[in-house]
Amino acid sequence: DGGITQSPKYLFRKEGQNVTLSCEQNLNHDAMYWYRQDPGQGLRLIYYSQIVNDFQKGDIAEGYSVSREKKESFPLTVTSAQKNPTAFYLCASSDRVGHYGYTFGSGTRLTVV
Amino acid sequence: GDSVTQMEGPVTLSEEAFLTINCTYTATGYPSLFWYVQYPGEGLQLLLKATKADDKGSNKGFEATYRKETTSFHLEKGSVQVSDSAVYFCALSVAGAQKLVFGQGTRLTINP
Repeated sequence: DGGITQSPKYLFRKEGQNVTLSCEQNLNHDAMYWYRQDPGQGLRLIYYSQIVNDFQKGDIAEGYSVSREKKESFPLTVTSAQKNPTAFYLCASSDRVGHYGYTFGSGTRLTVV
Repeated sequence: GDSVTQMEGPVTLSEEAFLTINCTYTATGYPSLFWYVQYPGEGLQLLLKATKADDKGSNKGFEATYRKETTSFHLEKGSVQVSDSAVYFCALSVAGAQKLVFGQGTRLTINP
């Protein structure tokens, strides 16, 4: 079955360390997205990519980095520059237009101690 | 810019009650409209969508009608169940805008 896989589901890191969250899709979607969700809040867009080797900053890109070397993969690195990285991270994908909605992964809960 | 405004939560209802979650939007173009549901600890799932005015999206007993004249897409269900407890997000997509715009989410709790 086609879908999006995020791994790991739970991630713990020490403050000051970089950490990379994985996102893989087999839906043949062109576009991929990373969102951050804090408790009781909505979704905030971090980065998005419409095509391989190209990506754009979203609303809260500071302290994060991404790459898009393959159509299927869009990893997110949370760097030590991100001041408050503890959150729930959601990856999504869509066709290039996005007019039919997004497909979401099950999320990664990152806790920095 | 494009935006979505949802009814503030949390919303608490008894089982078998009628549900309405209001959603209104502002869009520069002609949007597609969506409702997503998020169960605890999970990602978002597409619940229903509508791509043009007067379209009605429906799924699992939920319905929403695209009302262009009132720029609304209210979510309704005639008889809710405990298993409907979740957070519901209204969203829009405008062709060429390259991203989905979400409302802030409405937490729904159904008591037995």
